[in-house]
Amino acid sequence: DQQVKQNSPSLSVQEGRISILNCDYTNSMFDYFLWYKKYPAEGPTFLISISSIKDKNEDGRFTVFLNKSAKHLSLHIVPSQPGDSAVYFCAAEGSARQLTFGSGTQLTVLP
Amino acid sequence: DTAVSQTPKYLVTQMGNDKSIKCEQNLGHDTMYWYKQDSKKFLKIMFSYNNKELIINETVPNRFSPKSPDKAHLNLHINSLELGDSAVYFCASSQNRDEQYFGPGTRLTVT
Repeated sequence: DQQVKQNSPSLSVQEGRISILNCDYTNSMFDYFLWYKKYPAEGPTFLISISSIKDKNEDGRFTVFLNKSAKHLSLHIVPSQPGDSAVYFCAAEGSARQLTFGSGTQLTVLP
Repeated sequence: DTAVSQTPKYLVTQMGNDKSIKCEQNLGHDTMYWYKQDSKKFLKIMFSYNNKELIINETVPNRFSPKSPDKAHLNLHINSLELGDSAVYFCASSQNRDEQYFGPGTRLTVT
């Protein structure tokens, strides 16, 4: 029973273009959403988050969009850089402050 | 000057053995977590401790026992290891709901 789904296991983008990573969730009780980035042999590192009272949050090259009615969020990276190549995990949190993660999307930015 | 550290990084052991993984955070956070990343790459919460008290205990076998001697440490002890316990285990800590800081992971292989 996957409450957080990342349906694209991989994504390749040319350097300088936009990367769009998608995430869907099923639990309407989730009220906080986060994106984590993970390099091989390292732990995930926090990237950006958004509360359910907002529909957009921006931090430099990274923007997260939340569509509550569709239970969908996306991470936009623009412009994409080779150093952005990593696995990106979407995570959702409810009142229990417990994170539920998606299965991740491997982003490859081609030089 | 690692924020969240785990030892060992790799652990290879035989079925039936008992092993421990140690985790320490120097961030002054009140809450610590253990996650398991399975073969399908999902990160799943196992335990959460807040100020040395257990607050989340997901459905994990009783063979797994977390121990928190102080709020900077959360160790994971596993009894009678089974093949299915093979995974990467991540420790994490947080102070607020904004983000969790993850350790580098411990790859456990049970043969």
